[in-house]
Amino acid sequence: GENVEQHPSTLSVQEGDSAVIKCTYSDSASNYFPWYKQELGKGPQLIIDIRSNVGEKKDQRIAVTLNKTAKHFSLHITETQPEDSAVYFCAASMNTGNQFYFGTGTSLTVIP
Amino acid sequence: DAGVIQSPRHEVTEMGQEVTLRCKPISGHDYLFWYRQTMMRGLELLIYFNNNVPIDDSGMPEDRFSAKMPNASFSTLKIQPSEPRDSAVYFCASSRGLTSGTSQYFGPGTRLTVL
Repeated sequence: GENVEQHPSTLSVQEGDSAVIKCTYSDSASNYFPWYKQELGKGPQLIIDIRSNVGEKKDQRIAVTLNKTAKHFSLHITETQPEDSAVYFCAASMNTGNQFYFGTGTSLTVIP
Repeated sequence: DAGVIQSPRHEVTEMGQEVTLRCKPISGHDYLFWYRQTMMRGLELLIYFNNNVPIDDSGMPEDRFSAKMPNASFSTLKIQPSEPRDSAVYFCASSRGLTSGTSQYFGPGTRLTVL
């Protein structure tokens, strides 16, 4: 089955700086890569996703890049704000409706 | 849309008791997933349904766990008998399937504590 690794497990940045979280996957058949943000006491919320036919996708301060050859994808958050503090999960799947394989999560702290 | 609805939000029970967690997926979504989240094991997929039919239950830890989806708008996860190691946050998620381009949407979770 698919194996998704996520790094780092914890990340602290100063407000206004950028944060980068990286994930690797093992199964070349995976073609859908969502990112989730989980705030304390809440369920994971989808923040951005990317398909294997696209190399990069942006949504305001958030961007995701995908390197299919190397089997890795990354989340980039620019101009971080304290409200970005949360746990972020990457996932890989062969289709949106099929099983997601989640990374182990990155706890991001943005220091004001 | 109200999003995925789960109840109860918190459940405290004693070892040996039966626990039933409930989920209402987003209307129109044909996939439903049950996850368990712990600090030690992260997010684990327990079971998922497509059009009310269980597709993969290989993540269900043991026979004490069972899940049903009697109709498109309701699912239950039951633990009988419950044990302290079942303490976790249980999430339900739903999605609209393979070609719509939508991802899985999670509910707020049920925090289960088994004493």
